[in-house]
Amino acid sequence: AQSVTQLGSHVSVSEGALVLLRCNYSSSVPPYLFWYVQYPNQGLQLLLKYTTGATLVKGINGFEAEFKKSETSFHLTKPSAHMSDAAEYFCAVSDLGVEAGTALIFGKGTTLSVSS
Amino acid sequence: DVKVTQSSRYLVKRTGEKVFLECVQDMDHENMFWYRQDPGLGLRLIYFSYDVKMKEKGDIPEGYSVSREKKERFSLILESASTNQTSMYLCASSVGLGETQYFGPGTRLLVL
Repeated sequence: AQSVTQLGSHVSVSEGALVLLRCNYSSSVPPYLFWYVQYPNQGLQLLLKYTTGATLVKGINGFEAEFKKSETSFHLTKPSAHMSDAAEYFCAVSDLGVEAGTALIFGKGTTLSVSS
Repeated sequence: DVKVTQSSRYLVKRTGEKVFLECVQDMDHENMFWYRQDPGLGLRLIYFSYDVKMKEKGDIPEGYSVSREKKERFSLILESASTNQTSMYLCASSVGLGETQYFGPGTRLLVL
């Protein structure tokens, strides 16, 4: 069965510093991979996704993620953190090799704090 | 833009009450999902539906049921609410299973 592990439930950075949120997955076939962001008291919003093709994926708000098959990773980065990036971030995977009935599998989330 | 709406942002109910949470999407998506979100546990799938009147159990279906009579509407039912069902409930829809899911704003349910 596929699974998603987000390393670090809480990450703190200073404004202007690099943001790195880690995600590793297990999947029996090449997956689709997603990063979502959730601001307080809101639903989840798609940041970016990887399906096929270029392994470096650019998303909204200056975020990007790189699919590394050999490492089974899909880490999220942003060169320079902004106060407005403070939120909870979820990595998700779908395993399209499985029979119909598979939804997305979400990691437990990483809370990003940004200090001035 | 895809829009997923949920009937209430906040709900307070008593133990034993029957609770209905409604979700509506406006993009003609085939698939709809109900999750609950709890601190430290992430999102856990309760039920999903891949067609009208069709439903599949997710990881934590106990104590819940669902109804999908129309394509755009997916209801979550708590037959007899209990305090351990206090949580944030999120609805989502997608054009295909395994594809991008679009989320509603969530309903924060408190069961007293």
